[in-house]
Amino acid sequence: QQQVKQSPQSLIVQKGGISIINCAYENTAFDYFPWYQQFPGKGPALLIAIRPDVSEKKEGRFTISFNKSAKQFSLHIMDSQPGDSATYFCAAREEGQKLVFGQGTRLTINP
Amino acid sequence: DVKVTQSSRYLVKRTGEKVFLECVQDMDHENMFWYRQDPGLGLRLIYFSYDVKMKEKGDIPEGYSVSREKKERFSLILESASTNQTSMYLCASSNLLYGYTFGSGTRLTVV
Repeated sequence: QQQVKQSPQSLIVQKGGISIINCAYENTAFDYFPWYQQFPGKGPALLIAIRPDVSEKKEGRFTISFNKSAKQFSLHIMDSQPGDSATYFCAAREEGQKLVFGQGTRLTINP
Repeated sequence: DVKVTQSSRYLVKRTGEKVFLECVQDMDHENMFWYRQDPGLGLRLIYFSYDVKMKEKGDIPEGYSVSREKKERFSLILESASTNQTSMYLCASSNLLYGYTFGSGTRLTVV
């Protein structure tokens, strides 16, 4: 069963636009929601993360919005740049340190 | 610079071979994980370990085993490789403070 559902699978955005990736989860015991960024040939790297007692977290051009009642969270990339082109994964942490990942979104920023 | 090192970037093995994927971390992390990454499926947890000599099954353990004889090393073993195990394999380590650090991955092809 897919505990974290991510959409869209792929996304094309013009340079300077806003990229939005959405995730939904079922397990209310999840206590930490990170986003990872992966470039070709590299492992995923932590981009930004949020805890469920916060509705929004912003770091530079990257913002996580979190809706606990809807069990949804999203990543917004403002002023998207070609260097942001990568695969993005949302994740949720369950008991211990285990992360459950979404299916991934391949983001392409056109110059 | 903290690191998770996977011994091979690319590996080609024959069906039925026993395959060892090695992962070493230099961060003194307690927790180590093996994921496989497939397009459209995201990252799926194979096995994890919270301590030396300890191992726990993840979501897709069938056909795999692991070994953790030392804190810094976590090995994934394919007992008898099959073509459906062709995939990207990612090792990660973590602690409570810094979250996950991934290796660069091993792309395994079973022919």
